[in-house]
Amino acid sequence: EAQVTQNPRYLITVTGKKLTVTCSQNMNHEYMSWYRQDPGLGLRQIYYSMNVEVTDKGDVPEGYKVSRKEKRNFPLILESPSPNQTSLYFCASSSSRLASRTDTQYFGPGTRLTVL
Amino acid sequence: AQKITQTQPGMFVQEKEAVTLDCTYDTSDPSYGLFWYKQPSSGEMIFLIYQGSYDQQNATEGRYSLNFQKARKSANLVISASQLGDSAMYFCAMREGNYGGATNKLIFGTGTLLAVQP
Repeated sequence: EAQVTQNPRYLITVTGKKLTVTCSQNMNHEYMSWYRQDPGLGLRQIYYSMNVEVTDKGDVPEGYKVSRKEKRNFPLILESPSPNQTSLYFCASSSSRLASRTDTQYFGPGTRLTVL
Repeated sequence: AQKITQTQPGMFVQEKEAVTLDCTYDTSDPSYGLFWYKQPSSGEMIFLIYQGSYDQQNATEGRYSLNFQKARKSANLVISASQLGDSAMYFCAMREGNYGGATNKLIFGTGTLLAVQP
């Protein structure tokens, strides 16, 4: 089954304690991205990756890091989490070269993060 | 800069009635795609429908249709015969570029929370 998985699904942590949210896809997609969802703001892109070892900032990258060492994995790293990073996080993947115009991103189930 | 605007934070609709969720967009790229996603209370993002900027006809997918008015830059979602299971948050999103080379980045609106009443 084609899917994007994220772990953990729920996480409560404290300010300053480094954490990693993992993301994995089994569709051989080149393009992967991270979004955060906040009430009244919709989804905003944090970082994206066009392929292995190719990453770039999205619209709200401050306080986050990513890496893309393997095609299937795209972890999101918070080196020193702060309360304003409390949010719902989504990983998504898609083909880079659109196979059809309707190609869209496949979303993971989301990770609800609370930073105290 | 590209932008998506959803002006209805929340809406109510009676079961079995039709409802229209508004979406306007702004882009200078002549080639773009418009998407609607549904997010139920469980949190996952479910793709509903797509409309390309060069498509001559409005997109339809079952009970979902997209009222695409290019000159007005609007892409409203119409849900016919609403069901209780349609209660969810709905997001409009846009991708600039529709052919080879597009990055597939999506710009999202702020969403509309739809409540279907029995």
